[in-house]
Amino acid sequence: GAVVSQHPSRVICKSGTSVKIECRSLDFQATTMFWYRQFPKQSLMLMATSNEGSKATYEQGVEKDKFLINHASLTLSTLTVTSAHPEDSSFYICSAEKNRGFHEQYFGPGTRLTVT
Amino acid sequence: GENVEQHPSTLSVQEGDSAVIKCTYSDSASNYFPWYKQELGKRPQLIIDIRSNVGEKKDQRIAVTLNKTAKHFSLHITETQPEDSAVYFCAVSGNQFYFGTGTSLTVIP
Repeated sequence: GAVVSQHPSRVICKSGTSVKIECRSLDFQATTMFWYRQFPKQSLMLMATSNEGSKATYEQGVEKDKFLINHASLTLSTLTVTSAHPEDSSFYICSAEKNRGFHEQYFGPGTRLTVT
Repeated sequence: GENVEQHPSTLSVQEGDSAVIKCTYSDSASNYFPWYKQELGKRPQLIIDIRSNVGEKKDQRIAVTLNKTAKHFSLHITETQPEDSAVYFCAVSGNQFYFGTGTSLTVIP
């Protein structure tokens, strides 16, 4: 199998606080994980690529100091949204690459973040 | 970088008819072409994929065709059912992974 979990599924936080989202590959080791953001009725926008044991690679326009990514093990990557603002409200989805170099990505169920 | 275009953006078909969604890409080095189905509020699910050394792949009612020369690939769904209604995304992977803009498919019973 290729199961990816994500936690929490929904979170509401106040402006100025930080929120951590976890992404886990449950039945395989993922050297590479990806974080996406999705707005309603739009495609997935890649935010960053997370490699185990090294710094994440951020896409252009994504603030690395605001969206902190940590990939501490082969089965866990975390995304922390720091000093959240209402405009950070979105659907955040992670994915994990099961076989390095073979490109198949398996997605987590997503996290709905609402910043009030 | 890669430029992935997906058409149409919306598609309505009668139950039992076929649906075709097409994607074009620009980077000839791209070598992996998956299709994802995403239902409202849920994760994208990989439904079929094809690699650059294959021209066509079929899985029951779903097929994907790839034309590397023309740099386009298509998703074909036959005998559509209401549960096929969802948003479908193509993706292209070479050095990086790029998603198409999505097609909202509605199957009318």
